[in-house]
Amino acid sequence: EAGVAQSPRYKIIEKRQSVAFWCNPISGHATLYWYQQILGQGPKLLIQFQNNGVVDDSQLPKDRFSAERLKGVDSTLKIQPAKLEDSAVYLCASSSRTSSKNIQYFGAGTRLSVL
Amino acid sequence: QKEVEQNSGPLSVPEGAIASLNCTYSDRGSQSFFWYRQYSGKSPELIMSIYSNGDKEDGRFTAQLNKASQYVSLLIRDSQPSDSATYLCAGGFYGGATNKLIFGTGTLLAVQP
Repeated sequence: EAGVAQSPRYKIIEKRQSVAFWCNPISGHATLYWYQQILGQGPKLLIQFQNNGVVDDSQLPKDRFSAERLKGVDSTLKIQPAKLEDSAVYLCASSSRTSSKNIQYFGAGTRLSVL
Repeated sequence: QKEVEQNSGPLSVPEGAIASLNCTYSDRGSQSFFWYRQYSGKSPELIMSIYSNGDKEDGRFTAQLNKASQYVSLLIRDSQPSDSATYLCAGGFYGGATNKLIFGTGTLLAVQP
């Protein structure tokens, strides 16, 4: 079974530029998550999709971050314009169902450096 | 505010010893707990999940949950240098379609050969 795929692996941009990350979840997983992990911290949930609908985006900085999951499969996360404090690893995860025994599987992440 | 707290470490143990990693959480509504291992520069990998009070063993790993004390721990027996990594504790919070994991900051484990 293929895992969660993310691209690119690394991205370096200057502040105020825009950037986009892509995620392809495990086949058949209806739930997709985007996390932000700042160095030395645990992952923080940005947004959760159930199929192609947003379930939770309470911690997404909506003035600069946006995400979509068209057709309920692949997802993109965009930052526009980027700030220095957006430097982090952006992790995508997926799970097969929403229940108390749900397991989330993580992709390799995209490491973003904002200069 | 739902929080999961861990000692950031580093926790240093000699090879072959038992490593004990601890985690506390603030919200009694949390229904499940997970331990993820994260090697430097890599993504989190699930090690253990635990849903009810007591112990759960899987190979060299034992997870312990005490909901009354709001405390979760992970024991690693016969620690190996390959166990050196950051261990993330996460609490699961569920409501309607929401299925959220709240992570601690992670504990860095260093196993000395």
